[in-house]
Amino acid sequence: GQQLNQSPQSMFIQEGEDVSMNCTSSSIFNTWLWYKQDPGEGPVLLIALYKAGELTSNGRLTAQFGITRKDSFLNISASIPSDVGIYFCAGGGSQGNLIFGKGTKLSVKP
Amino acid sequence: GAVVSQHPSRVICKSGTSVKIECRSLDFQATTMFWYRQFPKKSLMLMATSNEGSKATYEQGVEKDKFLINHASLTLSTLTVTSAHPEDSSFYICSARWYRGGETQYFGPGTRLLVL
Repeated sequence: GQQLNQSPQSMFIQEGEDVSMNCTSSSIFNTWLWYKQDPGEGPVLLIALYKAGELTSNGRLTAQFGITRKDSFLNISASIPSDVGIYFCAGGGSQGNLIFGKGTKLSVKP
Repeated sequence: GAVVSQHPSRVICKSGTSVKIECRSLDFQATTMFWYRQFPKKSLMLMATSNEGSKATYEQGVEKDKFLINHASLTLSTLTVTSAHPEDSSFYICSARWYRGGETQYFGPGTRLLVL
């Protein structure tokens, strides 16, 4: 079946640093979505991408839908403490369902 | 827009009882809703797809008689965990589909189920 490889699995950030994570797949997707999940909460949609090559920003967040439709990245600029959490990518196929990556856990450097 | 609510947010029940979880799309209509289960530190696992006015479609390995889904209106889907056992304890999250130029799902806040 379709699978997504999301990396990195985890990363530590210092306030002010830029952060980058990505998802790749051997399958083509029609939609790429990026979500953030805080502990004990449901995922919150950050950015939705619907066209190959599309680059979209939401505040300090920027995401791109890869031109091959098999990958996407999410960048966070000038990170702040409230950026910690788990970020999931999700690829939307032709059947209406989403395939999720395993998540990238963002933590603050001690 | 695109707010999805879930009720209850957490529930503790005795083994053998049934528990109903509601998922509502508050400001849009959703002909399709999805139910997920999430284990600690894991990604979301799709359990079933709920379509308004028709039977739910269950993923492989999910018992349809155990997890009853009803999608009676365009804004409400319910998941009933029947004869719950401790192994059913988990975080259950619903989402509602809203096609906005592409497949998009908006998630509820989740329901934490603990079966004693």
